[in-house]
Amino acid sequence: DARVTQTPRHKVTEMGQEVTMRCQPILGHNTVFWYRQTMMQGLELLAYFRNRAPLDDSGMPKDRFSAEMPDATLATLKIQPSEPRDSAVYFCASGDPDGIQETQYFGPGTRLLVL
Amino acid sequence: GENVEQHPSTLSVQEGDSAVIKCTYSDSASNYFPWYKQELGKRPQLIIDIRSNVGEKKDQRIAVTLNKTAKHFSLHITETQPEDSAVYFCAARGADGLTFGKGTHLIIQP
Repeated sequence: DARVTQTPRHKVTEMGQEVTMRCQPILGHNTVFWYRQTMMQGLELLAYFRNRAPLDDSGMPKDRFSAEMPDATLATLKIQPSEPRDSAVYFCASGDPDGIQETQYFGPGTRLLVL
Repeated sequence: GENVEQHPSTLSVQEGDSAVIKCTYSDSASNYFPWYKQELGKRPQLIIDIRSNVGEKKDQRIAVTLNKTAKHFSLHITETQPEDSAVYFCAARGADGLTFGKGTHLIIQP
């Protein structure tokens, strides 16, 4: 049963520190999404990659957030410097929109707390 | 871009009764509509989906209906059980990928 994996599952850090979150998409999926979930805003799309190329990162604060896909098996989301308002659950999802299954499959999330 | 509205934000039903969650979308080109269930502390998981060439789809106690003309789609859960308690998200896929609704917190009262 193929699943999206994310590390770390939990992260507590102090304001100003760098945070790096990692995601391994399902093998063969060519799209990767990063979402942020909070009680107030729900699920917000931060960035979207197709075939490792960034297609949309308009939902991401550019001054502190960056997203990359160094290879097809790894996506990263980095926050530098982190702020308390960044506290949220960050989900990665992968999908194969051109294949039989069009939907996105979510990873378990990284629960981030910035003090 | 696509805009998805979801109602209600909270829904409380008696165990055994039916629950209906409704969503509207704005982009008439959207062609795929999944529903996700998210239990507390867990990841959103796909429970059912429907494509624009179909008006209704059913899977045991769960059904989804789609009205393309009115641009709305609904999730129906019959004979609700305690394990149905969760947050449910609808989504619509347009040119920019999936756009999610804000979620409905479904509470099943014993």
